[in-house]
Amino acid sequence: QQQVKQSPQSLIVQKGGISIINCAYENTAFDYFPWYQQFPGKGPALLIAIRPDVSEKKEGRFTISFNKSAKQFSLHILDSQPGDSATYFCAAYNTNAGKSTFGDGTTLTVKP
Amino acid sequence: EPEVTQTPSHQVTQMGQEVILRCVPISNHLYFYWYRQILGQKVEFLVSFYNNEISEKSEIFDDQFSVERPDGSNFTLKIRSTKLEDSAMYFCASNPGQGIYEQYFGPGTRLTVT
Repeated sequence: QQQVKQSPQSLIVQKGGISIINCAYENTAFDYFPWYQQFPGKGPALLIAIRPDVSEKKEGRFTISFNKSAKQFSLHILDSQPGDSATYFCAAYNTNAGKSTFGDGTTLTVKP
Repeated sequence: EPEVTQTPSHQVTQMGQEVILRCVPISNHLYFYWYRQILGQKVEFLVSFYNNEISEKSEIFDDQFSVERPDGSNFTLKIRSTKLEDSAMYFCASNPGQGIYEQYFGPGTRLTVT
């Protein structure tokens, strides 16, 4: 019940295209859903996050879509750029327990 | 901009030895975390710490692990008797609390157990 399933494992997109990464969770105690971007040799960096009381959040080229009934959420990267090439992790956080569960990660490659 | 710092950046140790990984969370943050990431795999939660005590820990965080906040700035992870499978990147993170849940990660310590 603590799992967060992330797909796809890897993604190749042309510059200017849309990158979409999906995550699904099981535990309804999760109440905060961040996405992290990680470059090789670096720590994860928070990209954008959403609470389950909203269905969408947009920050610049990055949008989270959240479907509470389906227990799914996704990251959309519009106008993908080569600099977006990184590994992206979704996570689900139980704010009462103070515990995060991460997805397996998606390696995004944006081709110029 | 404030950031989480970690030392050392790389630690090599022999199996069975004790290691202490150090972190300086962002000042005035209230919640502290340790995660690990085995090469090429996902980030795994180890432990969360608040108000000078562990608030949550994972099944990975067994008796070989301990955490401490020895003073007002440092947050440490101790592994008492390292095993080969402890080789990983260890990330410290902190967040402000008080309804703000964004976690800020440090650059990590690469632990290599030989």
